[in-house]
Amino acid sequence: DAGITQSPRHKVTETGTPVTLRCHQTENHRYMYWYRQDPGHGLRLIHYSYGVKDTDKGEVSDGYSVSRSKTEDFLLTLESATSSQTSVYFCAIRRGGGTDTQYFGPGTRLTVL
Amino acid sequence: GQQVMQIPQYQHVQEGEDFTTYCNSSTTLSNIQWYKQRPGGHPVFLIQLVKSGEVKKQKRLTFQFGEAKKNSSLHITATQTTDVGTYFCADQTGANNLFFGTGTRLTVIP
Repeated sequence: DAGITQSPRHKVTETGTPVTLRCHQTENHRYMYWYRQDPGHGLRLIHYSYGVKDTDKGEVSDGYSVSRSKTEDFLLTLESATSSQTSVYFCAIRRGGGTDTQYFGPGTRLTVL
Repeated sequence: GQQVMQIPQYQHVQEGEDFTTYCNSSTTLSNIQWYKQRPGGHPVFLIQLVKSGEVKKQKRLTFQFGEAKKNSSLHITATQTTDVGTYFCADQTGANNLFFGTGTRLTVIP
C-alpha cells in the first residue's frame, strides 16, 4: 500500500529476552507509529516518531523503546520481553497533504513464552 | 483518559441484512476516521469526517458524524461476505495522533 514492510512477521521468544521489531518505509514520510493490537482493546499507540531522532511516547509505552536513525526505519525494542507483550504489532505512517490518514504495515505477531 | 467506545463489539448478520456500528465518546471528537481490518490483515483507511452532522457515502457504506461531534456511525446496506472484518473508528488527538476505538467485528453468514 504505502511501501511499508515489517520484520519479522512472526516471532516467538522467551520471557526476559530482548526483541527488536523493524518497520521500513520507502516513501520518506515524516511520521511513523507503532501500535499494538489486543482483543478487546483495539489499536493502542506505543510510540511515534516525527522525524529522525525525534520520538515521543504513546498510550502504552512502558516496557518499550524506539529509535529512528534514518527516515525510512523505525525500530521498536522490548528490552526484556514479558508475556503481557504478546500481541500483534503494527507500524504505520502518516501521509502529508493536510490529512491525518494513517497507512499500516502488515503487522508482526509476537509471542512471548 | 480519552475513551472512544464502539458498539456492538461483535455482530453476526445474514448476508443481505444491514449492519450498523456506533462510535461514542464522552468528550467532543475532533475528526473521525474509519478503518476496516480484514481477518488476518491490517487496518485500511475508509473515510474521514470533519464537520458536525456530516454524512458521507461510499457505495453501500454510509458514514455519519453526530451534530454534537460526540458520536459517529457506519451503516452498511445489504451486507456481502466481502464486508467481513473489524471496523474501527479513530479520533484525532493533538496534532498528529489517532486514538482508536475498540472495534466492531462483523461476521456475515452466507
